[in-house]
Amino acid sequence: DQQVKQNSPSLSVQEGRISILNCDYTNSMFDYFLWYKKYPAEGPTFLISISSIKDKNEDGRFTVFLNKSAKHLSLHIVPSQPGDSAVYFCAASASYGKLTFGQGTILTVHP
Amino acid sequence: DTGVSQDPRHKITKRGQNVTFRCDPISEHNRLYWYRQTLGQGPEFLTYFQNEAQLEKSRLLSDRFSAERPKGSFSTLEIQRTEQGDSAMYLCASSFLEYTGELFFGEGSRLTVL
Repeated sequence: DQQVKQNSPSLSVQEGRISILNCDYTNSMFDYFLWYKKYPAEGPTFLISISSIKDKNEDGRFTVFLNKSAKHLSLHIVPSQPGDSAVYFCAASASYGKLTFGQGTILTVHP
Repeated sequence: DTGVSQDPRHKITKRGQNVTFRCDPISEHNRLYWYRQTLGQGPEFLTYFQNEAQLEKSRLLSDRFSAERPKGSFSTLEIQRTEQGDSAMYLCASSFLEYTGELFFGEGSRLTVL
């Protein structure tokens, strides 16, 4: 039972362009959503989050959008940089911090 | 370095052997989590502690797995009678008691069962 899904295993974009990573969830109890970035041989690192009472949160080049009715969230990175190349995980939580992760999307940003 | 640390980083063992992983969380964090990640998948929740109390265990955590956090500080995850299907990255994370959603992960312990 995959409660958090990232349907695109990989995404390739040109440096300077926008990267859009998508995530869908099924559990209506989720009230907090996060994006993590993971480089090889490292643990996931927190990138940005959004509460279910908001529909947008922005932090520098990163913006997360939440559409509760569609149970969908997305991460926009603009402009994309080669250093953004990593695996991106969407995660969701139902009130007490235990996170449920998606399968991840490999982002490659070409110079 | 005051982040989450895990030891060992990589363990190779033969099927049937026991292995133990250790996690030292960020010192002021009172919640500690164990996750498992296999190739091509996201981290999967195994168990979590609030101080020394183990509050939840996933059904993924078979009876061959046991986790402890004896004094509410470091934690150990032991796998008995390892199987090849146990090969994975075992991730530890910690957080504050107050709900923020953000977990701080260690670099993981990679287990290879031959």
